[in-house]
Amino acid sequence: DIQMTQSPSTLSASVGDRVTITCRASQSISSWLAWYQQKPGKAPKLLIYKASSLESGVPSRFSGSGSGTEFTLTISSLQPDDFATYYCQQYNSYSLTFGGGTKVEIK
Amino acid sequence: QVTLKESGPALVKPTQTLTLTCTFSGFSLSTSGMRASWIRQPPGKALEWLARIDWDDDKFYSTSLKTRLTISKDTSKNQVVLTMTNMDPVDTATYYCARTSPRELYFDYWGQGTLVTVSS
Repeated sequence: DIQMTQSPSTLSASVGDRVTITCRASQSISSWLAWYQQKPGKAPKLLIYKASSLESGVPSRFSGSGSGTEFTLTISSLQPDDFATYYCQQYNSYSLTFGGGTKVEIK
Repeated sequence: QVTLKESGPALVKPTQTLTLTCTFSGFSLSTSGMRASWIRQPPGKALEWLARIDWDDDKFYSTSLKTRLTISKDTSKNQVVLTMTNMDPVDTATYYCARTSPRELYFDYWGQGTLVTVSS
């Protein structure tokens, strides 16, 4: 299976900060990568698919980039509603795998 | 409007078989390209994909769990069923049902999840 490694595991930031989360794949996955946001007690919500395509209804402060083995999720100006845990997911192979998550906390 | 809802026992004993049902609306698994998956999340831990079933009844399983999992669908009832055999306390988790995008293999709609605890 393809292993997905996210960094950092926890990130402390303030409202208005630019935040970047990294996801690395153990082998090339082209652009077959999605990002999700999860709040406590809730199901994950799709933010980005195909590495950089913004899901309908997701604020434009969220953006994704990368290809091959290294990807980033960027929040251009952190808002109070953005404090949550973020997961990447690869879908290059039929055996789908998630990263370990990055928790974005209030500084 | 796509909605999904998981149902099943909240508590199972070790060695028992777990059966979970996902009842959905807003799409049909008899439509070409449609897919549904099960994903789980142990308390405080990361997400783990378990299984997927496609409109043409193709089935795909997690490499590490495939010997214990069976996924099936009932298109007349708009339901997807997951069974997991030989449950263990490490299988304690919230189990989610999700629609897998018709275009690519990401999850565009999720159910609310159901917490399953494995304990004697």
